[in-house]
Amino acid sequence: EVQLVESGGAVVQPGGSLRLSCAASGFTFTDYTLHWVRQAPGKGLEWVSLIGRDYFNTFSADSVKGRFTISRDNSKNSLYLQMNSLRPEDTALYYCVKEHSRGWPSFDYWGQGTLVTVSS
Amino acid sequence: SSELTQDPAVSVALGQTASITCQGDSLGTYSASWYQQKPGQAPILVIYHNNNRPSGIPDRFSGSSSGNTASLTITGAQAEDEADYYCNSRDTNNVIFGGGTKLAVL
Repeated sequence: EVQLVESGGAVVQPGGSLRLSCAASGFTFTDYTLHWVRQAPGKGLEWVSLIGRDYFNTFSADSVKGRFTISRDNSKNSLYLQMNSLRPEDTALYYCVKEHSRGWPSFDYWGQGTLVTVSS
Repeated sequence: SSELTQDPAVSVALGQTASITCQGDSLGTYSASWYQQKPGQAPILVIYHNNNRPSGIPDRFSGSSSGNTASLTITGAQAEDEADYYCNSRDTNNVIFGGGTKLAVL
C-alpha cells in the first residue's frame, strides 16, 4: 500500500524558515518524480515544486522560486521542501504527491498534508 | 504562465449526468487529469491523461478532451459525488491546476 506521510508543518513568523518532510513507502521510490502541492485555507490547489527521479531535475512555481528548495534522499525514501523567506500567503496545507506511472502531471497518491501557518 | 479555467459551481439532479469543463491553451498540447476532493480530505485522482480511469474509480466517471477544452462527465450522479473537482495539466516546466468546480447533487 502506497503511503505518503508529511511532517514539519508549524506556525512561523513572516521571513522565517521551515523544512517539510515526506516519508514514502509502498512503491519503488527511485522510479518516480515527486511533487509538493499546496492548498490555502478555503482555496484551490496550487502546484509548488517537482523533483525528478535523479535529484537533478527540479522545477518550481514562480510564486516560490528562489525561496523554496525541493530535495529528496533516495536512501531514506524521503522528500523534502526547504521553505525560506516565508510570507503570509504561503499559509497552506502542503501535500506530498506521487506522480502516476504514465507521468506528470497525473498524481495518483497524495499524503494527508502538513499545515504551514505564516503569521506574526 | 498558462491558466486553466473552470466554472465555480455546477449542480445536477440525483441520477442525472453532470459535465464539468476545463479550458486552457495548454490543453491543446498536453493532457488533462481530474481530481475529486471532499471536505477535510486529500484529493483523489479520478481521470488521468484525458480519458483514463484509475482502478477503483466507478465507471460513471469519464473524461474527454477536444482542442483547448477538457471535460469530466459523471453519468448517473450519486449523492457521494458531491465534492470539489479540479482539473490539471502542464506547460513546459510547470503544473497547472484549474480553480475548481463545486458539484452539488440535488
